Amino acid sequence: KQEVTQIPAALSVPEGENLVLNCSFTDSAIYNLQWFRQDPGKGLTSLLLIQSSQREQTSGRLNASLDKSSGRSTLYIAASQPGDSATYLCAVSNFGNEKLTFGTGTRLTIIP
Amino acid sequence: GAVVSQHPSWVICKSGTSVKIECRSLDFQATTMFWYRQFPKQSLMLMATSNEGSKATYEQGVEKDKFLINHASLTLSTLTVTSAHPEDSSFYICSATGTVVAQPQHFGDGTRLSIL
Repeated sequence: KQEVTQIPAALSVPEGENLVLNCSFTDSAIYNLQWFRQDPGKGLTSLLLIQSSQREQTSGRLNASLDKSSGRSTLYIAASQPGDSATYLCAVSNFGNEKLTFGTGTRLTIIP
Repeated sequence: GAVVSQHPSWVICKSGTSVKIECRSLDFQATTMFWYRQFPKQSLMLMATSNEGSKATYEQGVEKDKFLINHASLTLSTLTVTSAHPEDSSFYICSATGTVVAQPQHFGDGTRLSIL
């Protein structure tokens, strides 16, 4: 059974700093991995999708890496802004177009 | 980009009533829809997977008679919480994926259900 863990559970950093969020999964035979953002009481916004054959994906100030063999992914946020404050979730799929197993989330607070 | 609409966004009702939540894909054919539940300060847990025209597949521990799922068309899936009780209060989120392999799931905005 796939299990996904995110560390830390909560993180507060001053505005402008770069930061890294971590995600680990127990079954390395994944199809893809996604990073999502969730604002309080809201749904999910997809940030980045990495296929199992890829090592990283970039979108603006966000960069996600994937090391499938070690069961790890990181989300790097550059030059953090208060608007980045949210809960970040990673999720893995073990088969294409199949269900996602979500991590426990990291609640990020950017201090102005 | 692909849009998934979920309705209602918020519902409060008395214990014992049934509540229906709709999930619609607005600009693509959703061959598969997923229903997740999220309790406060917890992550999303998959409840069931529904494929258009067939019965839903429920995760272990989810009561299929309690949470009725219908996926009658390629653009609509519904989740009905029957005889809801306070412990069913949660945030329910649907997602949809289409026919393209490795297409990411697109999520609705969720429904906050509060049972009094």
